Amino acid sequence: QKEVEQDPGPLSVPEGAIVSLNCTYSNSAFQYFMWYRQYSRKGPELLMYTYSSGNKEDGRFTAQVDKSSKYISLFIRDSQPSDSATYLCAMSVAGGGNKLTFGTGTQLKVEL
Amino acid sequence: DSGVTQTPKHLITATGQRVTLRCSPRSGDLSVYWYQQSLDQGLQFLIQYYNGEERAKGNILERFSAQQFPDLHSELNLSSLELGDSALYFCASSVVTDEAFFGQGTRLTVV
Repeated sequence: QKEVEQDPGPLSVPEGAIVSLNCTYSNSAFQYFMWYRQYSRKGPELLMYTYSSGNKEDGRFTAQVDKSSKYISLFIRDSQPSDSATYLCAMSVAGGGNKLTFGTGTQLKVEL
Repeated sequence: DSGVTQTPKHLITATGQRVTLRCSPRSGDLSVYWYQQSLDQGLQFLIQYYNGEERAKGNILERFSAQQFPDLHSELNLSSLELGDSALYFCASSVVTDEAFFGQGTRLTVV
């Protein structure tokens, strides 16, 4: 069993929809949780970085962390075609970029 | 633009050869991390350097080595290359426990 599980998709939604992306994990030592967006053949771009359980909002993006359930989510409101990319969850014990454990990524397509 | 610069962007080389990938971290970031992204393994942590010293090791092969120089740029050396080493290699940098920012990667193709 992988430490971080993420549905690879692909996930296809119409423009304007609310998108929900999720990851589950098994290592209770993870303390830092991140969401990255990766366009094809480009570097991962950090979207959200959270430390504790709860919600964090940034524009159209909301990250949720539920440590008791070992479950994290990323919500994208009013999705746009430019949001079409692969979304990677990542987590670590020590913070920073140290030994980030990534999910396999969910491929999202937002259609006009 | 994350502020992390990687060169070269693309590299094609033959099996058995040695290559060097270069990374310049964001200004002020002391930590540099190397990751490998392949189709079957996803993003895998290789190694971390902090202010010139190795701080953590992940799934890095013995044929691979890295170093961080006094000006904080880092190099990843890959030797005795095999077909299976073909992948995207990313460098990231951060201020210790803060967010890590990734470069655009070097795409290595071993033929």
